[in-house]
Parts: sequence; structure tokens; C-alpha cells
Amino acid sequence: EVQLLESGGGLAQPGGSLRLSCAASGFTFSTYAMYWVRQAPGKGLEWVSALSVSGGNIYYADSVKGRFTISRDNSKNTLYLEMNGLRAEDTAVYYCAKSGGAYAHMWYFDHWGQGTLVTVSS
Amino acid sequence: NVLTQSPGTLSLSPGERATLSCRASQSVTNNYLAWHQQRPGQAPRLLIYGASSRATGIPDRFSGSGSGTDFTLTISRLEPGDSAVYYCQHYGTSLAFGGGTKVEIK
Repeated sequence: EVQLLESGGGLAQPGGSLRLSCAASGFTFSTYAMYWVRQAPGKGLEWVSALSVSGGNIYYADSVKGRFTISRDNSKNTLYLEMNGLRAEDTAVYYCAKSGGAYAHMWYFDHWGQGTLVTVSS
Repeated sequence: NVLTQSPGTLSLSPGERATLSCRASQSVTNNYLAWHQQRPGQAPRLLIYGASSRATGIPDRFSGSGSGTDFTLTISRLEPGDSAVYYCQHYGTSLAFGGGTKVEIK
């Protein structure tokens, strides 16, 4: 059974930093692209970042480009999102998601984690 | 590619059919269009990919259709557990979500 477990959310001050982690199990992590998707309170889904199997293809939404960094450790089956320069508008539940196709990046998401809440406020 | 979903909210009775629309601003290559369901307080769940293929474990009451710029998610015989927000998602050359359609069961 595929499981994705996010952690690292919490309260951060404007301009501050947080690092999210997503521990994956139940599939061969090293053969699937991974994603971060967020959802602001009461709003819809927004794709944040995508990372290919090898880490050689990285994509960011314009809203986070230059501030967020996605990475993965295939030896630990873990996906990360380093968030710097946080703004109030980054407040959201952040979901980790798995690609529906092996080795395919920019693909549909076939499994989602339960999410971790990030709140940016002074 | 901007995805526009309609209607914003759909209120129907159990047993009725729901028809949800997702319109793309540009033609969707190879019908790379997925649908996700998000029940209140839960994470999203994949329903449909490739415009019409059901994901594992999804009942056949859920069906997807369409091509080009116009896509539809149909839920036949609505059940109380179908109360949720439904999102379409474009993939392939880029990633994007529609704004969602809320389905309420009376």
C-alpha cells in the first residue's frame, strides 16, 4: 500500500523558513517523480513544485520560484521542500503527491499524503 | 493552460446524475486530463486519468469523457459519500488545476 507522510509544518514568521518532509513507502520511490501541492484555507488546489526521478528536472510554480527548493533522497525514500522568504500567502496545507507514471514527470498524481499545515504569521 | 470548471456548486438528490464540466483554454494534448475528488477534511483522491480511465478502486458510477478543450466528469446514481469538491487537472507539458466544483447531496 502506497503511503505518503508529510511532516515539518507549523508556524513561521514572515520572511522565515521551514523545511517539509514527505516519507514514502509501499512503492519503488526512486522510479517515480514526486510533487508538492498546496491548498490555502477555503481555496482550491495549487501545484507548487515537481521533481523528476533523478532530480535533473525541477519545476516550480511562479508564485514560489526563487524562494522554495524541492529535493529528494532516494536512499531514504523521502521528498523535501525547503521554504524560504515565507509570506502570509504561503499559508496552506501542503500535500506531497506521487506521479501516476514511472519515470514520467509533469504527470497526474495517483496518490496523495494527508498534508501538513504551514501558517505564516507574525 | 487555464482550466475553468462549471458549475461552481451542484446540489442534487441521492440517485440523481451529476455532470461536471472542465474547459481548457488550449487543447489538451493526448487527453492528458485527470479528475480528483476531495471530501471535506480529507486529502484529494485520484478518480480519472487520461480523460476517461478510472483509477484503481474507483466505482464505475464515475466516468470521464471529452477531448480537445472540453471534458466532463459524470457521477451516476449519486450517493451521500459523493459529497465533495471535484477538481480537474491538466498534465503533460505543464501542470494546472481547475477551480473545483462542489457537489452537495440534498
